[in-house]
Amino acid sequence: GDSVTQMEGPVTLSEEAFLTINCTYTATGYPSLFWYVQYPGEGLQLLLKATKADDKGSNKGFEATYRKETTSFHLEKGSVQVSDSAVYFCALTTSGTYKYIFGTGTRLKVLA
Amino acid sequence: EAGVTQFPSHSVIEKGQTVTLRCDPISGHDNLYWYRRVMGKEIKFLLHFVKESKQDESGMPNNRFLAERTGGTYSTLKVQPAELEDSGVYFCASSPMTGIDEQFFGPGTRLTVL
Repeated sequence: GDSVTQMEGPVTLSEEAFLTINCTYTATGYPSLFWYVQYPGEGLQLLLKATKADDKGSNKGFEATYRKETTSFHLEKGSVQVSDSAVYFCALTTSGTYKYIFGTGTRLKVLA
Repeated sequence: EAGVTQFPSHSVIEKGQTVTLRCDPISGHDNLYWYRRVMGKEIKFLLHFVKESKQDESGMPNNRFLAERTGGTYSTLKVQPAELEDSGVYFCASSPMTGIDEQFFGPGTRLTVL
């Protein structure tokens, strides 16, 4: 079945460091790919998405590119801030279904 | 515009008891979803309503779980009787009917079964 694998956390970085959170997927058909973020005490918020191969999603300085050849959707940010501390979830949906398939989540902690 | 709300935010119950979780979706959203995250693992789909109808309940773990959405507005998820393995965070999400693929999530209900 469809699945999402993302790197285990926690990830601890200093402010202004470069961030990469790896995400790979297995899916039949052509999935849409998402990164959701959960800040402490809040619900999941859509961070960015990409719906077809080579699309790049971007938001708040974060980027991820839909790589069909490597079945990946890695999340990157050039310079993290303390306020980026949160749990990040990679997810997919496939055509004809509404349900998300999520990864396990990666906790990011950014130190001042 | 108010977001998705869930009640309670936390619930601690003993094994064998009953708990009812409530979700209020964004007004006008016909689609409502329940998900669960157990013990820091992946968030797993439980079921999907379109208005008051269950569209997909393939993720419901067993018949101790009962979800309803009377009138197509708020939804409840009842666990009866609760078991230890039901502990986790239960998320509700909603989306409009018009084919948009983004789902809007609530803050979740943390359920602890002792």
